[in-house]
Amino acid sequence: EAQVTQNPRYLITVTGKKLTVTCSQNMNHEYMSWYRQDPGLGLRQIYYSMNVEVTDKGDVPEGYKVSRKEKRNFPLILESPSPNQTSLYFCASSLIGDRAKNIQYFGAGTRLSVL
Amino acid sequence: RKEVEQDPGPFNVPEGATVAFNCTYSNSASQSFFWYRQDCRKEPKLLMSVYSSGNEDGRFTAQLNRASQYISLLIRDSKLSDSATYLCVVNRATDSWGKLQFGAGTQVVVTP
Repeated sequence: EAQVTQNPRYLITVTGKKLTVTCSQNMNHEYMSWYRQDPGLGLRQIYYSMNVEVTDKGDVPEGYKVSRKEKRNFPLILESPSPNQTSLYFCASSLIGDRAKNIQYFGAGTRLSVL
Repeated sequence: RKEVEQDPGPFNVPEGATVAFNCTYSNSASQSFFWYRQDCRKEPKLLMSVYSSGNEDGRFTAQLNRASQYISLLIRDSKLSDSATYLCVVNRATDSWGKLQFGAGTQVVVTP
């Protein structure tokens, strides 16, 4: 089954404790992206990657890191989480090609609380 | 001003009725447009792409108005299962292919 898998689904942590949220896709997609969703703000892009070893900042990259060492994986790293990073996080992937067909497939989401 | 703006709603719609709502975007060079559906904090899923000439998928019709910089979604014969938040998504201009801009969503509640 084609899917984007995020882990963990729920995470409660404390300020300053490094964490990684994993994202994996089995569709051989070149493009992967991380978003956070907060009430009233919609999804905001954190980082995205056009292919292996190619990453770029989205709209809200501060406090986050990513890596793309393999095509299927795109982990999101919070080196020193803070309470303002409490949010619902989504990973997404898509093929690269015709812009009109830039259909994104989303993972089920990771609900993060930083205390 | 937000790049993509939507009326948050909720739009309360009797079952069987028609509902329509718009999404405005600020970047006139935006390349492509989509409607995604999101159920209660679950992952967004593509509903339909929006083409220049307008397009229809069953009970759903999407339109693009480049002159006024908005897209619209119309749902005919609303079903209870249409209750969801509808996200407008705009693929930004040519400077960066990967950057998508999401609206905050329009909530639709279909009532029996």
